[in-house]
Order: sequence, then structure tokens, then C-alpha cells
Amino acid sequence: ELKVEQNPLFLSMQEGKNYTIYCNYSTTSDRLYWYRQDPGKSLESLFVLLSNGAVKQEGRLMASLDTKARLSTLHITAAVHDLSATYFCAVDLLGTASKLTFGTGTRLQVTL
Amino acid sequence: DVKVTQSSRYLVKRTGEKVFLECVQDMDHENMFWYRQDPGLGLRLIYFSYDVKMKEKGDIPEGYSVSREKKERFSLILESASTNQTSMYLCASSLWAGGLSNYGYTFGSGTRLTVV
Repeated sequence: ELKVEQNPLFLSMQEGKNYTIYCNYSTTSDRLYWYRQDPGKSLESLFVLLSNGAVKQEGRLMASLDTKARLSTLHITAAVHDLSATYFCAVDLLGTASKLTFGTGTRLQVTL
Repeated sequence: DVKVTQSSRYLVKRTGEKVFLECVQDMDHENMFWYRQDPGLGLRLIYFSYDVKMKEKGDIPEGYSVSREKKERFSLILESASTNQTSMYLCASSLWAGGLSNYGYTFGSGTRLTVV
């Protein structure tokens, strides 16, 4: 059974600071997705990582994938309040987007 | 530019009622999914469907059923609503391209259901 673990579960950080969210998974996969969820809203796609060593960046967020370590990271650079949200990673074991397994989510709170 | 539409944003139903949650996608996706999301429990898969009239149980199907009569529509049915089914329900769809997918899921806006 595929297990996907994120840590930390909750992160409070000051504006301007850097931090990393980790996503570990238990079974080999080379397809991983990151989603963002604002309070009371649905999930929106942030990054699609499709191979070992993949790195994607959008603004202050950068995601990477190490399939050998079964680890993905979401790095936040110089956080701003607008980044406050819950972030989920999701692993696609079959590679066909037919059944993603989601992590428990990391709730990020950026304070002034 | 709406792609996955859930019919209700908020819904309040009484215990014992039969509840229908509707989801429609306009992207011609083969795969459709229903999740529920609860604090501390993340997203849990209820049912999914790979094609019209096909359905597969997810991790927590008890108390739910689904219907997929048309490719674009996937309905979640609570046969007899109970208070422990109060939750946020998320519908999602994905494209099956005959092999590896590069796109993941597209989610609907969610339905917050309260059973009283």
C-alpha cells in the first residue's frame, strides 16, 4: 500500500523567511503533483513533476523530485502572506492519473 | 473557463434524506473521482470511475453509491444521510491518454455538506 507523508503538518513562518515542506512516499513512482488549497476552497494544481531530478519554479515556490530517495520538496523563498494555504503532494503510482494518493497536507501560515 | 463543476457549493440536509451531489466536467476526461475531506484526515477516496457505467470503490465507499450514465457527469449518492457524512466533498477528473499522464487531476470547487 502506498503511503505518502508530508512534514511538517503545520508551519508558521514569518514573512521574508525561507522554508521547505517535505513529501516522502513509500513506493517507487516518478510522477508527483503539488496542489494548493485556500481555506474553504478546492485544490488547484501548482506543479507537475514527471521524472527524477525534475525541478519546477513559480514565483517564490520551487518543487523538486528525487525518485531514488522517494522524496519531493516544496521550497518557499522569502515567504509572503499570500502564500498562506494548505499544500498537498500527490503521488501517481501507476503514472496514468487514474488514482492519485495524497499526502495529509501542510498548513502554511505566513505572519507579518 | 470552468472545467469541473459541482452543482452546489453549500448543502444542508436532514438525517435519513437521500442526497445527490452532481459533478460535470467539460474536458472530455475519462476518469472521474469523488473525495471527501475532513480536518486531520486529508483527502479520502470514496469512488472513482474510468468510463461510462463503470465504477470502482475507493477507500471509504460505505454509505455511498455513484452513477455515471454519461461521460461528463459523475454523481455521488448518499442513500440515507447521516451526521458523520458532514464533510467537504470534492470531485475531480483526469485524462487517460492511453498511457502515462502528465496532467494529474482537475478539481471542482467542492460541496460543503452539513447533515443535521
